[in-house]
Amino acid sequence: GAVVSQHPSRVICKSGTSVKIECRSLDFQATTMFWYRQFPKKSLMLMATSNEGSKATYEQGVEKDKFLINHASLTLSTLTVTSAHPEDSSFYICSAPRADLAAFSYEQYFGPGTRLTVT
Amino acid sequence: AQTVTQSQPEMSVQEAETVTLSCTYDTSESDYYLFWYKQPPSRQMILVIRQEAYKQQNATENRFSVNFQKAAKSFSLKISDSQLGDAAMYFCAYRRREYGNKLVFGAGTILRVKS
Repeated sequence: GAVVSQHPSRVICKSGTSVKIECRSLDFQATTMFWYRQFPKKSLMLMATSNEGSKATYEQGVEKDKFLINHASLTLSTLTVTSAHPEDSSFYICSAPRADLAAFSYEQYFGPGTRLTVT
Repeated sequence: AQTVTQSQPEMSVQEAETVTLSCTYDTSESDYYLFWYKQPPSRQMILVIRQEAYKQQNATENRFSVNFQKAAKSFSLKISDSQLGDAAMYFCAYRRREYGNKLVFGAGTILRVKS
């Protein structure tokens, strides 16, 4: 089945540094990918929609300059948390839609998530 | 804007019993999908069941079934013969049909299964 990977699964960084999280669709191409943030026992909060070949679309309240998104190819999107601070510590999840031709639709496949801890 | 509401923060069920998780949504669209996702302690999101809005028949996947009431904008999930492995956080979600549309999630319901 379709698989979406994320790397790294866990990362610890010092306050003020930047960290990059990769999201890859392993056996399908995705012109759009989504990035979510999730706090413990809370829902997924959409941060931005990553678009291959164009700028990402950010949700209201999400700082574009802090959360840089680059959709470099049809299988790779990256989220860079710049000048990270402890309040950026969270669980970040990406997803990518894959076409389901039989259903004339598509389904979202989720990565396993990345736990970011900023000390 | 579309919204999804889950009014049960936590639910408990005895093993082998049946439990129903509630979800309501609001949209002005007529063509959309509704989903239930499971997030176990591993935090990997798993699709449980999908319902297409234009289909009147309620979706069923083994022990999981939905009660889709389009006019009432209600979409509940019934889990029959509950198993310990069903313990997780469950999210109701909405999406418009077209490619590239985002999922709108509810707040989630933590399901505990007692042995």
